[in-house]
Amino acid sequence: AQSVTQPDIHITVSEGASLELRCNYSYGATPYLFWYVQSPGQGLQLLLKYFSGDTLVQGIKGFEAEFKRSQSSFNLRKPSVHWSDAAEYFCAVGPRTNAGKSTFGDGTTLTVKP
Amino acid sequence: EPEVTQTPSHQVTQMGQEVILRCVPISNHLYFYWYRQILGQKVEFLVSFYNNEISEKSEIFDDQFSVERPDGSNFTLKIRSTKLEDSAMYFCASRRLDQETQYFGPGTRLLVL
Repeated sequence: AQSVTQPDIHITVSEGASLELRCNYSYGATPYLFWYVQSPGQGLQLLLKYFSGDTLVQGIKGFEAEFKRSQSSFNLRKPSVHWSDAAEYFCAVGPRTNAGKSTFGDGTTLTVKP
Repeated sequence: EPEVTQTPSHQVTQMGQEVILRCVPISNHLYFYWYRQILGQKVEFLVSFYNNEISEKSEIFDDQFSVERPDGSNFTLKIRSTKLEDSAMYFCASRRLDQETQYFGPGTRLLVL
């Protein structure tokens, strides 16, 4: 069965500092990998995705993520955090099947200090 | 850019009542999904739907739940007799047949009293 672990429940960074959110997955093969952001009371916005090819993927809002097969990880990074990045971040995996459901991690809440 | 839409945005109901949550997927998408997120918890898969039938469902999706595509544009989730623990945000998602990216709607916040 596929699963996703986000080890950090809550992270606090200062505005302008760099950010890395961790994600580890368990799946029998290489899954599809996603990062979503959710602002309070809002829906899920796709930040970026990895399907194949270049293991460093660029997303919206200046985010990037790197797929490391050997570590079963897909960590999200941003070089300089803005106050508007404060939100909850979810890593998700999707199997390479027709149904393509996603399994989400527990999420990481990001707080940005001024 | 086309979006998945959901109605209502909020719904309050009494325990035991039936509710229907509505979704309009993106028009050329053929796979449809419902997920739920209990407050403070992760997003959980409920059901996927393709070609007018359920493709996959989770253990959460018991006999109290049903899905339907009543016409060419809507996709609904019905909860027959709501329980307190059904209180959650319900997300609809859709995707194209030839792509893996799911597009999520803004959600319906359901509160069962």
